[in-house]
Amino acid sequence: DIQMTQSPSSLSASVGDRVTITCQASQDISDYLNWYQQKPGKAPKLVIFDASNLEAGVSSRFSGSGFGTDFSFTINGLQPEDIATYYCQHYDNLVMYTFGQGTKVEIK
Amino acid sequence: QLQLQESGSSLVKPSQTLSLACRVSGVSINSGGYSWSWIRQPSGRGLEWIGHISHSGNTYYNPSLKGRVTISGDRYKTQLSLKVTSASAADTAVYYCASLRHGKNNHDRFDYWGQGARVTVSS
Repeated sequence: DIQMTQSPSSLSASVGDRVTITCQASQDISDYLNWYQQKPGKAPKLVIFDASNLEAGVSSRFSGSGFGTDFSFTINGLQPEDIATYYCQHYDNLVMYTFGQGTKVEIK
Repeated sequence: QLQLQESGSSLVKPSQTLSLACRVSGVSINSGGYSWSWIRQPSGRGLEWIGHISHSGNTYYNPSLKGRVTISGDRYKTQLSLKVTSASAADTAVYYCASLRHGKNNHDRFDYWGQGARVTVSS
């Protein structure tokens, strides 16, 4: 099985900061990597798909990059409404969908 | 606009069957390009994919659930259901249904989610 390691598990940053979350795969997964935002008490929401594509209607503050085993998710100019837990998610060809452990983003 | 809404029993006794439904509006569940998934989240923890049913009715499940799960679609193509047998406290979670959009070369993503249904397994 492919393991996804997401870090950090939590972070605290100031409004306006650039925030970066990483997700590392245990083997090459090409660009089969999505990112979701989950606000407290709400369902997850797709933010980035295929490693770097911004979902329609999502703020351009969010971006994703990476290929192979190392991926990153960035919030450029953190806003109070970005407070959430962010998850990476991978799909492998054994029809298995795996989420990272999550990164909780808070305002300092 | 595609919308999903979960419903079902919020309290299940241990060893009984957990049953949930998800009403899909805005598209038929036998439309090509989509499958329909269940994902769960224990309180304060991460997300776990349970399984999905394709538009043609094929089902795929997370092996960790060891054959206890059944996902099906209704004849009117507007609702999917989830059954988890032999429920235990470990099945206590918020259960989400979600649309699984199939992109080119199996680039899949969960693009629409229901609001979630909280299920507690307790006597």
